[in-house]
Amino acid sequence: AQSVAQPEDQVNVAEGNPLTVKCTYSVSGNPYLFWYVQYPNRGLQFLLKYITGDNLVKGSYGFEAEFNKSQTSFHLKKPSALVSDSALYFCAVRGLGGADGLTFGKGTHLIIQP
Amino acid sequence: GAGVSQSPSNKVTEKGKDVELRCDPISGHTALYWYRQRLGQGLEFLIYFQGNSAPDKSGLPSDRFSAERTGESVSTLTIQRTQQEDSAVYLCASSPRRSGGALTDTQYFGPGTRLTVL
Repeated sequence: AQSVAQPEDQVNVAEGNPLTVKCTYSVSGNPYLFWYVQYPNRGLQFLLKYITGDNLVKGSYGFEAEFNKSQTSFHLKKPSALVSDSALYFCAVRGLGGADGLTFGKGTHLIIQP
Repeated sequence: GAGVSQSPSNKVTEKGKDVELRCDPISGHTALYWYRQRLGQGLEFLIYFQGNSAPDKSGLPSDRFSAERTGESVSTLTIQRTQQEDSAVYLCASSPRRSGGALTDTQYFGPGTRLTVL
């Protein structure tokens, strides 16, 4: 079975500082990893995904994520946080033999303080 | 272009009643997914459609839940004899995925239907 862990329920960062939202995964075979963001009362918006190749993936709104196979991690990062980045962030994984749907983590609330 | 749309946006029902939730995928997307998001939880996968066929129903929580899709268009998720534990946001997603592959396809989500069972 495949699974995703987001160890932090909430991350607080001052505006302008770098941010990291952590994600670790468990999957059989090669992982396909995704990050989504959810603003209040809205659906999920796609940020970025890792399929293969370069371990550093760049996505929307200045976000990037680093795939680390040995640590089975896919942490989301941004060099300089904005107040508008405050939202709920979900990491998700898909792998061979799993269900056709994505397996999501429980989400991390990111709060950027002015 | 238009994104995934869902209706109604909110639904309040009494325990024991049946409800239907609707999803309109992005035009041309062959794959359609339903998920459930309970308060404070991540998304749970419910069912996947490729065209109007549902090869993966593994996530449906009970036989009270069913779903249909018309061709590569609208899908309806039906919950019969609703229970209070069915209260959640139901999200629909679509992707251009072609049959036989594309684990890597990005899924695009609708705004969800918030279901409250009293």
